[in-house]
Amino acid sequence: GAVVSQHPSWVICKSGTSVKIECRSLDFQATTMFWYRQFPKQSLMLMATSNEGSKATYEQGVEKDKFLINHASLTLSTLTVTSAHPEDSSFYICSATIHTGSSYEQYFGPGTRLTVT
Amino acid sequence: DAKTTQPTSMDCAEGRAANLPCNHSTISGNEYVYWYRQIHSQGPQYIIHGLKNNETNEMASLIITEDRKSSTLILPHATLRDTAVYYCIVRVGNSNSGYALNFGKGTSLLVTP
Repeated sequence: GAVVSQHPSWVICKSGTSVKIECRSLDFQATTMFWYRQFPKQSLMLMATSNEGSKATYEQGVEKDKFLINHASLTLSTLTVTSAHPEDSSFYICSATIHTGSSYEQYFGPGTRLTVT
Repeated sequence: DAKTTQPTSMDCAEGRAANLPCNHSTISGNEYVYWYRQIHSQGPQYIIHGLKNNETNEMASLIITEDRKSSTLILPHATLRDTAVYYCIVRVGNSNSGYALNFGKGTSLLVTP
């Protein structure tokens, strides 16, 4: 099946610094990628929808100036957490959509564990 | 997207079939039923999806009732590695850009030795 990778798999950073997370579709091109966030013992929450070559669409309550998303190519989207704070510590997961002829399927990356100290 | 209702948790003995139910009584005619699972600290994994016919693949079977108001995911021979949270999601499948998935709370399946 389709493979989505994320890098890094985990990162620890100090409060006030910025962290960039990469999401790549390895064997297919993805027009649309999604970024989710998951806090402990909670479900995934959509943060933003990323379309190649255009600005991302953010969900209500997600600060676009804090969570910068760039989707420069059909295989790469990046999420940059700027001026990170401890409350940004979370599990960040991306997904990419592939059309299978009759429907769309989403494939998820393995996630990136961010810890802000 | 239609709302789904799943039991919070279920247990299953290793080697037995795991039957995970999902209610989606407000499903529309063009909405598909998708199942994903998430093993602890990993990204969600696609399992199977269907519109109205029963579906089977190498991972599982999906049984959708005739009125499409509920479905059951069947793992025929559960193993310890199937312990995960299983999400039943209903959404329009054949959309232009592929909408994001609305994850509910899911069912936490524990497979025991």
